[in-house]
Amino acid sequence: GAGVSQSPSNKVTEKGKDVELRCDPISGHTALYWYRQSLGQGLEFLIYFQGNSAPDKSGLPSDRFSAERTGGSVSTLTIQRTQQEDSAVYLCASSPPTLAGGPRRWFFGEGSRLTVL
Amino acid sequence: QKEVEQDPGPLSVPEGAIVSLNCTYSNSAFQYFMWYRQYSRKGPELLMYTYSSGNKEDGRFTAQVDKSSKYISLFIRDSQPSDSATYLCAMSEDNYGQNFVFGPGTRLSVLP
Repeated sequence: GAGVSQSPSNKVTEKGKDVELRCDPISGHTALYWYRQSLGQGLEFLIYFQGNSAPDKSGLPSDRFSAERTGGSVSTLTIQRTQQEDSAVYLCASSPPTLAGGPRRWFFGEGSRLTVL
Repeated sequence: QKEVEQDPGPLSVPEGAIVSLNCTYSNSAFQYFMWYRQYSRKGPELLMYTYSSGNKEDGRFTAQVDKSSKYISLFIRDSQPSDSATYLCAMSEDNYGQNFVFGPGTRLSVLP
């Protein structure tokens, strides 16, 4: 498809289990972001990949969270030993190269809704 | 105080009304501003992007930035039921994606 694809769309897991969330960005988009959206909260930045550069992990809330991007394309967000407070919608966005002074344009996927029981 | 604040709503208006959605912020260094629309169980989509102060118009949508008051607005003219969604503002000091701060969103319902 032409858009950002995320899977699974819904995931219910038990506390303490590990989960993997996948993002397939738009072809040709060099930048990829993961955000977390909790009820009543704004989008919370988690991690950013740009080309072959080292990722910006400054938004990851704990060392239970990690992400990788293979071959500059597909990304996987892994949450280890899930906790109930990890329940949220995890959104992935990709972005094409930005012209100097031009708008930053994100294209978001539909998200992976994680529920930790 | 949160860095970016929005009234969560829900805001209900009749079809055809003019809608005003607002965000206030505390960081006077913010100069890049965006509005996103998010339909239920969908990802956000970019509506408007403005740099620094002033107005920007696109069809039925107008974005305003008042940096002196640290206040931005999105106006929707002739609102339609299809405008029913959550509207998120986002802003940053620079144009680096990871530095944008999002508001919690305002849920809008346009009633036919």
